[in-house]
Amino acid sequence: EVQVLESGGGLVQPGRSLRLSCLTSGFTFGDYPVNWVRQAPGKGLEWVGFIRAKATGRTTQYAASVKGRFIISRDDSKSIAYLQMNSLRTEDTATYYCTREAAGGSSFDYWGQGTLVTVSS
Amino acid sequence: SYVLTQPPSVSVAPGQTASITCGGNDVGSKSLHWYQQKPGQAPVLVVYDDSDRPSGIPERFSGSNSGNTATLTISRVEAGDEADYYCHVWDRSSGHFVFGTGTKVTVL
Repeated sequence: EVQVLESGGGLVQPGRSLRLSCLTSGFTFGDYPVNWVRQAPGKGLEWVGFIRAKATGRTTQYAASVKGRFIISRDDSKSIAYLQMNSLRTEDTATYYCTREAAGGSSFDYWGQGTLVTVSS
Repeated sequence: SYVLTQPPSVSVAPGQTASITCGGNDVGSKSLHWYQQKPGQAPVLVVYDDSDRPSGIPERFSGSNSGNTATLTISRVEAGDEADYYCHVWDRSSGHFVFGTGTKVTVL
């Protein structure tokens, strides 16, 4: 059974950093791209960024709203992905979801339950 | 940047059919996916690649995509279908994923 579990959320002050983790199991993690998606309270889904699999160079791409501040990485040996969030702003307050991108496609077929990040002084 | 536009809300009586549209420039040339999100829960993929259903998703959920509009159709609507629905594509030109604005489906 595929499982995706985020952790690391919490309350953080503006300008500070936070690292989220995405622990997975039930599939060959290294073969799949991982995407992060966020949802501000009462708002819609917003794509944050992705990291490709090793076979495609582990390349990364980010939404304009987080580019230069957020970094996605992965440790295939541990089946974990990370979202390093720097220079946090109040508008980064959201539930952050880790998702598996389907093999051979572009849908997000498995999602974690999400972790809430609150940026406030 | 690429934009996907959905109606904010759709209301439907139980047993009837709900149609949710997703508009975007030449969206029919892209592979489009739909997600269902119930309150307090993570999104769930209900249709992928325009019209395919993941295992476990009822046949009542179907999709189409042509021209500038994609549509998610929910037949024989049930109370449990009440949720927010989002469309989603990969925009090759920007290298970014894009979500639609979301539609709240209310079962009367």
